[in-house]
Amino acid sequence: GESVGLHLPTLSVQEGDNSIINCAYSNSASDYFIWYKQESGKGPQFIIDIRSNMDKRQGQRVTVLLNKTVKHLSLQIAATQPGDSAVYFCAEPPSTGTASKLTFGTGTRLQVTL
Amino acid sequence: DADVTQTPRNRITKTGKRIMLECSQTKGHDRMYWYRQDPGLGLRLIYYSFDVKDINKGEISDGYSVSRQAQAKFSLSLESAIPNQTALYFCATSDGGRNIQYFGAGTRLSVL
Repeated sequence: GESVGLHLPTLSVQEGDNSIINCAYSNSASDYFIWYKQESGKGPQFIIDIRSNMDKRQGQRVTVLLNKTVKHLSLQIAATQPGDSAVYFCAEPPSTGTASKLTFGTGTRLQVTL
Repeated sequence: DADVTQTPRNRITKTGKRIMLECSQTKGHDRMYWYRQDPGLGLRLIYYSFDVKDINKGEISDGYSVSRQAQAKFSLSLESAIPNQTALYFCATSDGGRNIQYFGAGTRLSVL
């Protein structure tokens, strides 16, 4: 089985409910953020991104909210499904170096219960 | 993502052995990356390359080396593997625009 994420914070949500996954960032100069989903046995997959000139961005069943004042991101998943069970990471450019380098958070495991 | 292929998917080796992990991509991206993933530590950047002639160290490059053989190929080597290099290794690619990185399925490496 997948050993990644044994010590991750875990969010348990009932199928059909909404999920909110939070991420705090440290670099106040960051202007771009990305959310990734990692299912067991797979590499991270891009979900949605947001630039700092936006407070909110919506995708299919997902919404990302950005609060620059408190340096906080959240990923909201509507009507959570069993297939949403995964580890979710936020990522941001580092404080130095090129913007193409990303710093990843440690992740949150989402468990969907039936 | 099937466009980023890592080989092997699993490898068990002994301390002191030389190991090479390979990555190839069909996305046509110039930028390629190697990460390792450990429980509770997230993804940490080992090396990255913005084109064939460009190689840069990431935050944890000690004990690793890389080779960018072509735009589509980026390999990671452990010259003398040690047990604390046991981890999941991911290759990723990106274009020069939105910084979205696309990951391979990973290589699980165990060093005994």
